[in-house]
Amino acid sequence: GQSLEQPSEVTAVEGAIVQINCTYQTSGFYGLSWYQQHDGGAPTFLSYNALDGLEETGRFSSFLSRSDSYGYLLLQELQMKDSASYFCAASGSARQLTFGSGTQLTVLP
Amino acid sequence: NAGVMQNPRHLVRRRGQEARLRCSPMKGHSHVYWYRQLPEEGLKFMVYLQKENIIDESGMPKERFSAEFPKEGPSILRIQQVVRGDSAAYFCASSPDRGYEKLFFGSGTQLSVL
Repeated sequence: GQSLEQPSEVTAVEGAIVQINCTYQTSGFYGLSWYQQHDGGAPTFLSYNALDGLEETGRFSSFLSRSDSYGYLLLQELQMKDSASYFCAASGSARQLTFGSGTQLTVLP
Repeated sequence: NAGVMQNPRHLVRRRGQEARLRCSPMKGHSHVYWYRQLPEEGLKFMVYLQKENIIDESGMPKERFSAEFPKEGPSILRIQQVVRGDSAAYFCASSPDRGYEKLFFGSGTQLSVL
């Protein structure tokens, strides 16, 4: 089985940088994904890391350390519209994603 | 190119009734996943299907819940004899062949059991 832990809430101001951490315990781990969800709407894919290191996509970057069973999502130049829930999700040999409980990000003006 | 379509968006049922939730995957996607989400919680895996096959139903309750993905038509998640505890948002996601680390989600069905 797999379990993931991430902080329940993070608050930051507009223009700042915020990091959302995710630790996982899993068997047969393949990679770590990140999803964004606004107000209970459709979760949308942000990034995926299969290898150690940093993946950058515009203002968002994601990092993975397989040896530490740890990853993070980095959001730069925060905007009000970034206020949402962010979920890390692990993929493994079971061929289905296991999601963390989510981090509610609040961006203040 | 339409995304993942789920209907209905909202479904209200009384205890003991049946709920049928529908999901049409993105064009070209043959893998469908159903997840359940309670308020302030993450998405819990229920079932993974390919056309005409259930691949993994380890997250689905053994009783009252069933899922199918027929050769033609949408995937259906069926809940028989609903109880209040079934009230949740049910999300469907699809992926192309073996690309399951990147899922495309529908807008969900909010099931309310009175």
